[in-house]
Amino acid sequence: DQQVKQNSPSLSVQEGRISILNCDYTNSMFDYFLWYKKYPAEGPTFLISISSIKDKNEDGRFTVFLNKSAKHLSLHIVPSQPGDSAVYFCAAESQGAQKLVFGQGTRLTINP
Amino acid sequence: DGGITQSPKYLFRKEGQNVTLSCEQNLNHDAMYWYRQDPGQGLRLIYYSQIVNDFQKGDIAEGYSVSREKKESFPLTVTSAQKNPTAFYLCASSLQLNYGYTFGSGTRLTVV
Repeated sequence: DQQVKQNSPSLSVQEGRISILNCDYTNSMFDYFLWYKKYPAEGPTFLISISSIKDKNEDGRFTVFLNKSAKHLSLHIVPSQPGDSAVYFCAAESQGAQKLVFGQGTRLTINP
Repeated sequence: DGGITQSPKYLFRKEGQNVTLSCEQNLNHDAMYWYRQDPGQGLRLIYYSQIVNDFQKGDIAEGYSVSREKKESFPLTVTSAQKNPTAFYLCASSLQLNYGYTFGSGTRLTVV
């Protein structure tokens, strides 16, 4: 039972354009969402998060949008840079669950 | 400089042998986690521990064992009962879940 889904295994974007990574979830008890970035043979690093009481959170080039009614969140990267090429994981947690549930990941490639 | 250390980075073992992966953190985090990454499957939770001397099974605990004798350490043993042990193993820790996880750099285990 995949509670957090990233349906696009890969995404290719031109440098300087906007990258949009999507994530869907099924558990309505999730109240906190995070995005992690991962390079090959390294551990994931935290990128940005959003609480369910908000619908948008912005940090520099990165913005996360949350649509609770659709159980959908997205990560926008603008402008995209070559160093953004990595695998991006969406994660969610519900209060009291004490653990994160991760999506399958989306491999983002930024083309020069 | 605080962080979470996994060792070794690469590990080779013969089929049928048990192997223990090390995870140490000096972040004073209470919670620690073990995830496994396989291509196309994202991060799957093996075991987690909220406090010393206590741990819980995650989604794919079969064939694995852990201990939490010290706050700083959460070693994972991959036993011969694990059917497909070859994978990339990630250890993480957290202070509180709404702050997300800090991940180690991972151990790639190859069983031949």
